[in-house]
Amino acid sequence: DVKVTQSSRYLVKRTGEKVFLECVQDMDHENMFWYRQDPGLGLRLIYFSYDVKMKEKGDIPEGYSVSREKKERFSLILESASTNQTSMYLCASSQRPQHFGDGTRLSIL
Amino acid sequence: SQQGEEDPQALSIQEGENATMNCSYKTSINNLQWYRQNSGRGLVHLILIRSNEREKHSGRLRVTLDTSKKSSSLLITASRAADTASYFCATDEVDSSYKLIFGSGTRLLVRP
Repeated sequence: DVKVTQSSRYLVKRTGEKVFLECVQDMDHENMFWYRQDPGLGLRLIYFSYDVKMKEKGDIPEGYSVSREKKERFSLILESASTNQTSMYLCASSQRPQHFGDGTRLSIL
Repeated sequence: SQQGEEDPQALSIQEGENATMNCSYKTSINNLQWYRQNSGRGLVHLILIRSNEREKHSGRLRVTLDTSKKSSSLLITASRAADTASYFCATDEVDSSYKLIFGSGTRLLVRP
């Protein structure tokens, strides 16, 4: 079975902090994705990566950056966290179908 | 942008009844997928239907796709309390092969 592991289930940070969310997949997938999920808005794509060091902006990339130095790891970075980035963050790998991690519930105080 | 819109937003049924959820989308697609999300967890893939298919079954799940109406439905038969979850449709657009566009989901409650 494909396993997608997100480093933290719950995270609390302060405004202005630099926040790193880590995601690791164990199936050698080329494609990896970061979403945020907010009530009533569904899942919105932040960034995706189709290969090592390759990335493409999704629908809501502002305030975020990503890093893919190794195929199995895809990191989401909040450069200067703000309260409107409080959300559930979901990582996924592959494409058809996408395999999701359990999510990180991030609170910015 | 949100493509898939699900209907209803919430559904409450008794155990043993069937649950039907609908999804509408806007553009041409390669395929449509349904996912399930238990509270506070990630999404789990349920079923994929290609644009040239009209119906697909998997266990107690039945999915239909009408590309002329740009709509799909997910039927869960003989529901169980363990089916309580949110269900999302996701479309794989023709012009954007990397991205899935998710709907806002249907929250299903199955009462024991």
